[in-house]
Amino acid sequence: TQLLEQSPQFLSIQEGENLTVYCNSSSVFSSLQWYRQEPGEGPVLLVTVVTGGEVKKLKRLTFQFGDARKDSSLHITAAQPGDTGLYLCAGGTGSARQLTFGSGTQLTVLP
Amino acid sequence: DAGVIQSPRHEVTEMGQEVTLRCKPISGHDYLFWYRQTMMRGLELLIYFNNNVPIDDSGMPEDRFSAKMPNASFSTLKIQPSEPRDSAVYFCASSLGPREYFGPGTRLTVT
Repeated sequence: TQLLEQSPQFLSIQEGENLTVYCNSSSVFSSLQWYRQEPGEGPVLLVTVVTGGEVKKLKRLTFQFGDARKDSSLHITAAQPGDTGLYLCAGGTGSARQLTFGSGTQLTVLP
Repeated sequence: DAGVIQSPRHEVTEMGQEVTLRCKPISGHDYLFWYRQTMMRGLELLIYFNNNVPIDDSGMPEDRFSAKMPNASFSTLKIQPSEPRDSAVYFCASSLGPREYFGPGTRLTVT
């Protein structure tokens, strides 16, 4: 069974601070996706990374896929209250279409 | 497109009753997934379909759970009989490529 562990589980910070969320596994994934989920809604895809060492930026969010494709990180610069939500990483393997979701990081950005 | 549609959004039922959750995937998508989300266990994949055919139901907790997809535009997840431990948010998602599009979820409470 492939597992994705996310840390921290909970994170509460002040507006303007920087933060990093981690997603780790002992398994290799062919792709890694990051989703954000807001209360009362389903997860929404933020980014997909597929190459070891790949870095993608989405405004103030920076995503990195580990060289060995077993881990990933999400860095947010100058967090804003609108960044509040549950961040989920999800790993994909080969031709299998189902994703393995991480345990999630609940981020709260206080004004 | 309206996105993935789920109904009802909220369901409160008594233990022992039958519960049916409904999902309309995005038109043209060939994969449909049912997930369950709880605080304790996070987002769990229950079952997924490809072109209306169930591919993997290993995540279905027990025989009380069943899912059908009679056509490309409709799927149901049924729990009979329901138990308090089934209380959770149930998500339906559909995809055409590696990205999954989630519905808003059905919050089920079994008393």
